[in-house]
Amino acid sequence: QQQVKQSPQSLIVQKGGISIINCAYENTAFDYFPWYQQFPGKGPALLIAIRPDVSEKKEGRFTISFNKSAKQFSLHIMDSQPGDSATYFCAASDMGNEKLTFGTGTRLTIIP
Amino acid sequence: DAGVIQSPRHEVTEMGQEVTLRCKPISGHDYLFWYRQTMMRGLELLIYFNNNVPIDDSGMPEDRFSAKMPNASFSTLKIQPSEPRDSAVYFCASLTRRTSWGVQFFGPGTRLTVL
Repeated sequence: QQQVKQSPQSLIVQKGGISIINCAYENTAFDYFPWYQQFPGKGPALLIAIRPDVSEKKEGRFTISFNKSAKQFSLHIMDSQPGDSATYFCAASDMGNEKLTFGTGTRLTIIP
Repeated sequence: DAGVIQSPRHEVTEMGQEVTLRCKPISGHDYLFWYRQTMMRGLELLIYFNNNVPIDDSGMPEDRFSAKMPNASFSTLKIQPSEPRDSAVYFCASLTRRTSWGVQFFGPGTRLTVL
C-alpha cells in the first residue's frame, strides 16, 4: 500500500516537445506529492510539488497534474530542453509523516 | 548555507572492512534521512532521525548497518563488515518543517564500492 509506481522507466523526447511522466499510488492517506530531479553525480533536488486540494500546479515549463479519484499524478515538461535531461522521481507522503515514498525514477533524455 | 555535506564522496574498500559515511545536515534542520540508491532498487530510505533520535529504521537492510546522530550537526552510517552487494550511492538529506515543509534537501552522495 506504500508503493508509488512510476512510468516510463526511460523516455526520449525531441527538443521542444512535451515530456510526460506518470505516477500512481495506493495509499489514500498520501497528501503531498513532490517531484525530484537528479542530474548525474548529484543528489535529487525538489523540482515542484502539489497537494491534493488542487488538480494542477504550474511552475514555468513544469506542470503537475493530479487526479485524486484515480490516485494518479503526472509531470509535464513543456518545450523540453537538453538541460532537462536528468532522472525524475515522483514521491508521496502524508501530512503527519516526513518520510517520502519514492517512485522508481524515469531517465529523461532530450535530443536536439 | 553550504547545503548538506557528505564525506567521503567516493569510497573503495575490500569486503569485510568497516565503512563509515558521514553527513552534516543544513544548520537548523531537525530531520535527517539516510538513503541508498542502486540501479536495481532505486532510492531506498534506510533510516531517519528527528532531533537526533532515530524514528524509523525499518529500511536498514541488516545488522551490519548502523546509524548514529550524536548531535544536531553530524550523523554517521556505518557498515561492518562490508559486502560487495553494499556497493551503491548513499545519500543524506535534511529537512525542517519550520520554513520549508516537506522539502528534503539532499547531499551530493557517497559512492561506495566494495570489492
